[in-house]
Amino acid sequence: AQKITQTQPGMFVQEKEAVTLDCTYDTSDPSYGLFWYKQPSSGEMIFLIYQGSYDQQNATEGRYSLNFQKARKSANLVISASQLGDSAMYFCAMREAIYNQGGKLIFGQGTELSVKP
Amino acid sequence: GAVVSQHPSRVICKSGTSVKIECRSLDFQATTMFWYRQFPKKSLMLMATSNEGSKATYEQGVEKDKFLINHASLTLSTLTVTSAHPEDSSFYICSARVGGGGANVLTFGAGSRLTVL
Repeated sequence: AQKITQTQPGMFVQEKEAVTLDCTYDTSDPSYGLFWYKQPSSGEMIFLIYQGSYDQQNATEGRYSLNFQKARKSANLVISASQLGDSAMYFCAMREAIYNQGGKLIFGQGTELSVKP
Repeated sequence: GAVVSQHPSRVICKSGTSVKIECRSLDFQATTMFWYRQFPKKSLMLMATSNEGSKATYEQGVEKDKFLINHASLTLSTLTVTSAHPEDSSFYICSARVGGGGANVLTFGAGSRLTVL
């Protein structure tokens, strides 16, 4: 079964507007972490934001915020005030057993975001 | 910040030859590194977990004799693609965990694009 699902293969957003990238996950582990990474065309993976399963508040990092709905098992990324440089692939990822140092990171299929001028 | 260096960034080889990709943690020690493979516009697929001083743990379906992983020191892991074939052409990315606890983040190398002729 797919553990991380991103249902939007591609998204368009107008510059300066906000956009939400969807991510749902599936786990029975009570301790898990959710991550978002950005991958520009150069291929590097850039960490954006992290949400732990026990965190009470939604994570925020500058223009990035994570809309964490635990009961729905969703962890959507919200990018505010989109910029042309935000055009890239975005991956949602999950790590189970987050206090296990060997836990591996599993990625979703990715969403290609294009920001229009 | 923590940096993972991956080399070479691009390599072209003839079918039947072996190729070695290096992954180094430059300013921290990494007892565990991860190797991913990515096809164009696709997700990152975990190939194996590289453990310093012991054998790598391979994901189901990954041929351990084809993809040799060695983690000889706390700062270096290598992936050797043996007897490479055109279907091994892909983008290979390594990563290492920085820090401890639940929010520890995977830092990625810049990736290595392998083309087998």
